[in-house]
Amino acid sequence: GEDVEQSLFLSVREGDSSVINCTYTDSSSTYLYWYKQEPGAGLQLLTYIFSNMDMKQDQRLTVLLNKKDKHLSLRIADTQTGDSAIYFCAESISPGAGSYQLTFGKGTKLSVIP
Amino acid sequence: EPEVTQTPSHQVTQMGQEVILRCVPISNHLYFYWYRQILGQKVEFLVSFYNNEISEKSEIFDDQFSVERPDGSNFTLKIRSTKLEDSAMYFCASRTYSNQPQHFGDGTRLSIL
Repeated sequence: GEDVEQSLFLSVREGDSSVINCTYTDSSSTYLYWYKQEPGAGLQLLTYIFSNMDMKQDQRLTVLLNKKDKHLSLRIADTQTGDSAIYFCAESISPGAGSYQLTFGKGTKLSVIP
Repeated sequence: EPEVTQTPSHQVTQMGQEVILRCVPISNHLYFYWYRQILGQKVEFLVSFYNNEISEKSEIFDDQFSVERPDGSNFTLKIRSTKLEDSAMYFCASRTYSNQPQHFGDGTRLSIL
């Protein structure tokens, strides 16, 4: 079955880069996503990458995908206190009906130290 | 920017009662989803809905759950006889076509007493 694993906690100093890692198991994943959840809030789509890409950059965010190792990472450059949140990695699968439901990791809680 | 909206933000219900969680997906979206997140755990897929019928459902989505799109804008999740273990945050999501990203609402926190 599919599973997505992430480390649970990451602590960085303001201004440093943060790297959040994720591994997934389903080789048929088509898209991989990063969502951000602030306390008491919903899931905000940050960025996503198609499985035939290696890298995607979007302002301070860089996503790297190693499809061979089924490893996904999210790098946040110049991390700010406002980046403190839980970051979820998710893979999109389609068991057959084209539903493309998401399978989420447990989330990585990023704490930014001023 | 269009948003998925969910109501209420917090619902408190006695065990055994029925509850309906409401969602208004983004207007041009075609695929609708419910997920839940028990406190401290992963976000879990419950059900997907397309063309007025369920397209996929997880093992969690048993006979006590149902979904409906009663009109052109609302998408509801009904839990018929709530149990303590149904306490969770319930998220609605929607997307346009193919494998476009899903956009999530802010969730409804369901507390069963």
